[in-house]
Amino acid sequence: DTEVTQTPKHLVMGMTNKKSLKCEQHMGHRAMYWYKQKAKKPPELMFVYSYEKLSINESVPSRFSPECPNSSLLNLHLHALQPEDSALYLCASRSQGTNEKLFFGSGTQLSVL
Amino acid sequence: DAKTTQPNSMESNEEEPVHLPCNHSTISGTDYIHWYRQLPSQGPEYVIHGLTSNVNNRMASLAIAEDRKSSTLILHRATLRDAAVYYCILRDTASARQLTFGSGTQLTVLP
Repeated sequence: DTEVTQTPKHLVMGMTNKKSLKCEQHMGHRAMYWYKQKAKKPPELMFVYSYEKLSINESVPSRFSPECPNSSLLNLHLHALQPEDSALYLCASRSQGTNEKLFFGSGTQLSVL
Repeated sequence: DAKTTQPNSMESNEEEPVHLPCNHSTISGTDYIHWYRQLPSQGPEYVIHGLTSNVNNRMASLAIAEDRKSSTLILHRATLRDAAVYYCILRDTASARQLTFGSGTQLTVLP
């Protein structure tokens, strides 16, 4: 199984809503990532978890709250988002060693109204 | 962080080879050169990576200049399914620095 599964695929939420994005992998990878991608732009790193601990936060606003309950799951909790937060949110996991690769999910397309 | 420079867009005819260039003049000795591509409506996918020597896999070949300041991703026979944004990325596995995507090259494959 070389898949990273993200749910939901699409999400529409209001600025006062609370929602969560979910990411799952069963490749035994111990590093997991959240990226944000605006239309026609490259992915931008948001958070990195290593061995279930947050290792990198790229100065992301607190309305985005990541969580890594176990080595296979990564969540992104959303609260009080702004319309400019509308984007594709991508999850990835990383294999280790010199042959390291990132495996990406298909993303959650988020629209904030 | 070492940066990469790629052309914004390139075109190729179907079933012809494609050479996608990438400049990385500030590359360090521990930077690996990674290529990912992103097909429409999908997350990026790994294509190939290398350090110093040229590399081949089932998807593509990676040619790395002797001074490592540039590299070329080679698709040997482009198909319509190869139309995607191709990202050249430097990854320093000796540090905690992560994969940072540059602006990439939009490849259009013409039938």
